[in-house]
Amino acid sequence: AQSVAQPEDQVNVAEGNPLTVKCTYSVSGNPYLFWYVQYPNRGLQFLLKYITGDNLVKGSYGFEAEFNKSQTSFHLKKPSALVSDSALYFCAPPSNDYKLSFGAGTTVTVRA
Amino acid sequence: EADIYQTPRYLVIGTGKKITLECSQTMGHDKMYWYQQDPGMELHLIHYSYGVNSTEKGDLSSESTVSRIRTEHFPLTLESARPSHTSQYLCASSEVYSSGGAETQYFGPGTRLLVL
Repeated sequence: AQSVAQPEDQVNVAEGNPLTVKCTYSVSGNPYLFWYVQYPNRGLQFLLKYITGDNLVKGSYGFEAEFNKSQTSFHLKKPSALVSDSALYFCAPPSNDYKLSFGAGTTVTVRA
Repeated sequence: EADIYQTPRYLVIGTGKKITLECSQTMGHDKMYWYQQDPGMELHLIHYSYGVNSTEKGDLSSESTVSRIRTEHFPLTLESARPSHTSQYLCASSEVYSSGGAETQYFGPGTRLLVL
């Protein structure tokens, strides 16, 4: 079974600054890890996932995430945040029976 | 945007009414899911399906029921709506990978339900 933790409920950054949303994982074996984003009044959208291979995963909307086995982390990053990146971000592992398990997520606010 | 649709997007209804939330996908995915989410909160899986005639209850107990008669259609029904059912309901689908667990889920826009 896998589980993740997003240690920050909220992240606030200024537009143009780097954005990092943290996720740490606890797994046995090789993890599968996903990042999803939920914009206000919308469903979730897939950003990227790590299955195996390159530790740096590039995704949609200029986001990337680095899988770090030694630190058991899979932080989401964007070099220069936009106001339109303000949303709720979920790091999700597959739970038992391979269903995705979503936590409370991290609310990102990018101020102009 | 993924090809998965939910109707209605918003629904305000009185207590005791029967409602059906529609979900359709045109991607030919075998797996489909229903989640319940309060605003800004985590998602809770309430139902899922591996394919036609397959339905399973999720991690969160729900008074709703689902059916899967066709691959593309996964409706959710509440026989008698109550204020406690007020929430957002999200439908999702995914294909089946040989390496189980790596499937990307694609979500519909959601249905916001308000039961008065």
